[in-house]
Amino acid sequence: EVQLLESGGGLVQPGGSLRLSCAASGITLSENVMSWVRQAPGKGPEWVSTISGDNTYYAGSVKGRFTISRDNSKNTMFLQMGSLRAEDMAVYYCAKASAGTLGYFDLWGRGTLVPVSS
Amino acid sequence: DIQMTQSPSSLSASVGDRVTITCRASQSIRTYLNWYQQMPGKAPKLLIYAASTLQSGVPSRFSGSGSGTDFTLTVSSLQPEDFATYFCQQSYYSPWTFGQGTKVEIK
Repeated sequence: EVQLLESGGGLVQPGGSLRLSCAASGITLSENVMSWVRQAPGKGPEWVSTISGDNTYYAGSVKGRFTISRDNSKNTMFLQMGSLRAEDMAVYYCAKASAGTLGYFDLWGRGTLVPVSS
Repeated sequence: DIQMTQSPSSLSASVGDRVTITCRASQSIRTYLNWYQQMPGKAPKLLIYAASTLQSGVPSRFSGSGSGTDFTLTVSSLQPEDFATYFCQQSYYSPWTFGQGTKVEIK
């Protein structure tokens, strides 16, 4: 079964750091365009970051604070988050983006919650 | 950033009703428009991509149309499992952006 499973979420104080993981089964992350998408309570989803081959892309709101990476040997993707703010509080999903230029997300994990509060 | 505006923000409908949700982009995105369904506490699920292409496994009662700035998602005959929140997403300009959602509730 093709599956993405996030982990690493949890309560963090403003200014703190956290590393999220996304373990994949049934697909090879390095062969796909992979993203992190977050969703604050009651809001629409928000694209955060994408890794495609050796290229990485970030939303302006997280650029310089978040780093996306991948461990091919473990078939796992990461999101290192730093200088966390209250507005970063959300459920973070890893998602597989379509190949090519159409840019849709056709496989999602279950998400991991990141509350940011003192 | 491209702003995606959905209307209505919520609607009440009955099983068997035809339901239409609208998504408007702040500038032309050609047909780079995708629709998702989200159940409470679950991840979004892709329904339609490229404005009108049904994702594999999605029932044919779902359809999408539009181009440029105005798009619609239609459910031809609402079923009990369709009561959910629906989001549009543009993938023409970076950063990809989503609408705020339309919640479909039982009347």
